Amino acid sequence: RKEVEQDPGPFNVPEGATVAFNCTYSNSASQSFFWYRQDCRKEPKLLMSVYSSGNEDGRFTAQLNRASQYISLLIRDSKLSDSATYLCSKGSYIPTFGRGTSLIVHP
Amino acid sequence: EAGVAQSPRYKIIEKRQSVAFWCNPISGHATLYWYQQILGQGPKLLIQFQNNGVVDDSQLPKDRFSAERLKGVDSTLKIQPAKLEDSAVYLCASSLDSTTEAFFGQGTRLTVV
Repeated sequence: RKEVEQDPGPFNVPEGATVAFNCTYSNSASQSFFWYRQDCRKEPKLLMSVYSSGNEDGRFTAQLNRASQYISLLIRDSKLSDSATYLCSKGSYIPTFGRGTSLIVHP
Repeated sequence: EAGVAQSPRYKIIEKRQSVAFWCNPISGHATLYWYQQILGQGPKLLIQFQNNGVVDDSQLPKDRFSAERLKGVDSTLKIQPAKLEDSAVYLCASSLDSTTEAFFGQGTRLTVV
C-alpha cells in the first residue's frame, strides 16, 4: 500500500458547487499534513496546512481524521479558477505526496 | 523573500547523453529535496538532503543519477546516461525541516529523445 493515496479524478463540477477530496495515509507517525495546489505545467504551491482541530481559509476547509487515517479538503462555492490538481502531503522524516486529484470547474 | 531557483527551465537531450540541473533553495532552509514528476503523477522523491547530508535516496536510480549539496546550500542533480523514461519535470524544493511545508522551484522540464 502506498503511503499516501488519492483518487485521481477528475472531479467535474459546476461553478458554485461544493466538492470534497479525501486522502488516505499509512504510517500514522506523521505529525503534519498539507494540501498543495498544482496548476497545469506549474510547480506545486502550498494551499493550506492541516491541523488536528481542522483548518478553514475562506472557501477552503481541511480536516484530519487520525482514527481513520485520512485528510480531507472541502471547497465551497467553486470558482472556475479552482480548476487544478490538488496534492496531499504527509510531512514526516521523509515527506510523501499523493498523486493528486484533478478538479475541473465548468461554467 | 526569494523563492527556490532552478535552472535550466527546459532541456532536450538525446538518450545516453548526460544532463545536470541546479537548485538554489530558500536561504536558511536546511532540507532540500529533488522530486521527479511524470505527467499525471504526483512528485516522487528522488533524494532528500538535511544540510549537506543525505537523509534518503532510496528511490534514486544510483546507476545513472547522482546528486550533491556541497556546503549545505546549492544542489545539483545529474543524469548520466539519460534514458527515454527519464523524461519528466524535475522539481527542487526546500523547507525549514522535513515536517514543515515545502517550497518548490519552477522545475526543469527534461525531454529525452
